[in-house]
Amino acid sequence: EPEVTQTPSHQVTQMGQEVILRCVPISNHLYFYWYRQILGQKVEFLVSFYNNEISEKSEIFDDQFSVERPDGSNFTLKIRSTKLEDSAMYFCASRMAPGQGMNYGYTFGSGTRLTVV
Amino acid sequence: AQSVSQHNHHVILSEAASLELGCNYSYGGTVNLFWYVQYPGQHLQLLLKYFSGDPLVKGIKGFEAEFIKSKFSFNLRKPSVQWSDTAEYFCAVIKGKLIFGQGTELSVKP
Repeated sequence: EPEVTQTPSHQVTQMGQEVILRCVPISNHLYFYWYRQILGQKVEFLVSFYNNEISEKSEIFDDQFSVERPDGSNFTLKIRSTKLEDSAMYFCASRMAPGQGMNYGYTFGSGTRLTVV
Repeated sequence: AQSVSQHNHHVILSEAASLELGCNYSYGGTVNLFWYVQYPGQHLQLLLKYFSGDPLVKGIKGFEAEFIKSKFSFNLRKPSVQWSDTAEYFCAVIKGKLIFGQGTELSVKP
């Protein structure tokens, strides 16, 4: 079964450093997402990406965050200057676009646990 | 505010007990509903989904959920839980994007 792959599985970084979280979505999917889950809290939407541009972003996704699909297969989330409160599990997800089938189900990666110290 | 609400934060059951986890949503119109499970240390996995048709949907691992439109609910059920069902369960709605409830932690005692 196709998978969404995320690397690294765990990253520790110092406050103020830049981090890049990487995701390889399922190859025939067209919508890509980043979500995060702070320990003990619910899964929160960060950003959606379609046709090489951001289609929607949440209030959390401020100027410190950016996303990119640099080479047609990877989908990255960059945090420019990390803060302690950025510590969370970050999930990448992808799905087929409507019209490709009735499956609106998202496929999630296994997540990257980011720890900012 | 529009939201997805899960009533129980933490549920503790013994093996073989029956399970029902509540989920209510406040979005109008057509909704697509999901239940995801997150086992300890693992990623989110789809348990089941509802788009249309029979409001009683069956998912993996013996789980089912019932969509009751008049109650804006999509409760998850399993007749007899196992220790391996210990996980966090998330109800979710698609309204442009996937929106999650707060999650319910299920602990099953052997």
